[in-house]
Amino acid sequence: DSGVTQTPKHLITATGQRVTLRCSPRSGDLSVYWYQQSLDQGLQFLIQYYNGEERAKGNILERFSAQQFPDLHSELNLSSLELGDSALYFCASSVDPGGGDHGQGALFGANVLTFGAGSRLTVL
Amino acid sequence: AQKITQTQPGMFVQEKEAVTLDCTYDTSDQSYGLFWYKQPSSGEMIFLIYQGSYDEQNATEGRYSLNFQKARKSANLVISASQLGDSAMYFCAMREGQTGGGADGLTFGKGTHLIIQP
Repeated sequence: DSGVTQTPKHLITATGQRVTLRCSPRSGDLSVYWYQQSLDQGLQFLIQYYNGEERAKGNILERFSAQQFPDLHSELNLSSLELGDSALYFCASSVDPGGGDHGQGALFGANVLTFGAGSRLTVL
Repeated sequence: AQKITQTQPGMFVQEKEAVTLDCTYDTSDQSYGLFWYKQPSSGEMIFLIYQGSYDEQNATEGRYSLNFQKARKSANLVISASQLGDSAMYFCAMREGQTGGGADGLTFGKGTHLIIQP
């Protein structure tokens, strides 16, 4: 058990629907990241939150949104679902915000991402 | 251009042999971190090893070591004495410094599917 909890583990829904994926980070971690893993695109970074604030955006579609709540759990909302949205969605957490706050490469080691088990979304 | 390139889509290795998984990266930053993750068939992503761009020594974690060749922008993962349980997908990933496009998430390669044969 990595300490990062994702629910649900599996979700099957229809095109056009909306779903919410939930993530509880590891105790003490302030950063939450969302990734999408599909066969054709591989692992794609979607978005990051740090202590409730959006920190960085990756390849997140406009139909997708996320937020991090005061208790640090995060939700990823996927709407107007399409067949191509079928994928494994990972949440990861880390202690630090990472990136620009640490100029020395050696400090990146303190910001290892711990991944949850993923939520497998199937859109029919 | 791909930021992380893993040129071996799949590898078959005999149990107890050492295996090297290739990873090359592309960045203009001086400060960056390189990571390897393992994804077994159960799906979870497991952190294996990290190498900072300023680290002068190659990282080691048990049977895992990272062969870091900065000038060649190469960060190969070496698994010594492979075991059946090492069969999995292996991903190389990078986090760049402040100039890395603004995203603080890791950039992953496409992965290498390693199969250990008895």
